[in-house]
Amino acid sequence: EPEVTQTPSHQVTQMGQEVILRCVPISNHLYFYWYRQILGQKVEFLVSFYNNEISEKSEIFDDQFSVERPDGSNFTLKIRSTKLEDSAMYFCASSGGAGVVTGELFFGEGSRLTVL
Amino acid sequence: KQEVTQIPAALSVPEGENLVLNCSFTDSAIYNLQWFRQDPGKGLTSLLLIQSSQREQTSGRLNASLDKSSGRSTLYIAASQPGDSATYLCAVDYGGSQGNLIFGKGTKLSVKP
Repeated sequence: EPEVTQTPSHQVTQMGQEVILRCVPISNHLYFYWYRQILGQKVEFLVSFYNNEISEKSEIFDDQFSVERPDGSNFTLKIRSTKLEDSAMYFCASSGGAGVVTGELFFGEGSRLTVL
Repeated sequence: KQEVTQIPAALSVPEGENLVLNCSFTDSAIYNLQWFRQDPGKGLTSLLLIQSSQREQTSGRLNASLDKSSGRSTLYIAASQPGDSATYLCAVDYGGSQGNLIFGKGTKLSVKP
């Protein structure tokens, strides 16, 4: 069964360092998303991406964050200068194949980011 | 502000019991509602999606209902098994294709053998 894959599964970084989290969405999906979940808290929307541009972003997604689809398969989230409060599980999701309009999102296993 | 609330926060039942998990949302103008399962330290697995025009969806032992007018959804699990132990998350989409889901905090279910 097609699935969303994310790498790395866990990354530890020093405060102020740049981090790139990678995702391979389901191959025929057209919409891509990043969410995060701080330990013990709700899953929160960060950004949605369609047709090679951001379609919506939350107030969490400030200038420190960026997303990119560098090729036909990968979707990345970059955090330019990490802060302690960026420590969280980051989930990639995708939805919406051609002709599919249900809006059902499929999530990856997550990348745990620990900022020291 | 659009909020999603799940009650109870935790639930422990003996194996074989039928159970209901509740989800409520403050704004009834939803596009769809999705139920997920999350195992500890893992990703979210989609269980059921209900479109705003639908009243319920079924998949195996799971049945999800939607009452937009009262701002509620329930997830019914029949004949619970220890393998059903996980956190169940409800998420509401208000924005159509933008995928900006608003999540509840989840109900942590433990099914005892």
